[in-house]
Amino acid sequence: QKEVEQNSGPLSVPEGAIASLNCTYSDRGSQSFFWYRQYSGKSPELIMSIYSNGDKEDGRFTAQLNKASQYVSLLIRDSQPSDSATYLCAGALYNFNKFYFGSGTKLNVKP
Amino acid sequence: DAEITQSPRHKITETGRQVTLACHQTWNHNNMFWYRQDLGHGLRLIHYSYGVHDTNKGEVSDGYSVSRSNTEDLPLTLESAASSQTSVYFCASSDSGGHRELFFGEGSRLTVL
Repeated sequence: QKEVEQNSGPLSVPEGAIASLNCTYSDRGSQSFFWYRQYSGKSPELIMSIYSNGDKEDGRFTAQLNKASQYVSLLIRDSQPSDSATYLCAGALYNFNKFYFGSGTKLNVKP
Repeated sequence: DAEITQSPRHKITETGRQVTLACHQTWNHNNMFWYRQDLGHGLRLIHYSYGVHDTNKGEVSDGYSVSRSNTEDLPLTLESAASSQTSVYFCASSDSGGHRELFFGEGSRLTVL
């Protein structure tokens, strides 16, 4: 079983809609979670981090963490064509310096 | 600005040759990582280091080696390149202590013919 699981997609949403990306993890020791955006041919870029249960908002992005359900999500409001990319979910063990990545969900935002 | 740089960005080599990919970071991060990324496999950890003279094997370490002689650099060496090592390689670094974020270099695309 992979430590972090994501639906590979593609997830298609119309411009202006809310895109919802989901991720589950298996290791209850994981305490830090991250969402990375990766454009084709580019390196992963950190867009959100979340460490506590609940929601964390940053502009159009909201990360949600539910440790009881071992579930992490990323909501993108008012989706733009420029949001079209692959989104990688990652978990990390506190103080163990190791990151576990999902295989990514490809998002297509259609104009 | 602090950054993490990889070189070369693109390399074509032949089977059996030794290849070294360089990674240099100016964040002064203790932790450095090498990943490879292939279609269908996502990011897979090759080797990592928590500090000078410390190196550890990741999930796909066979055929690769690293050494850490200073804080800034973690070169990745393919001792005898194989076609299965054709991939995109990413170096990354993170700080120590508490919650930490991982920052990536721009990647090195390696083709082994």
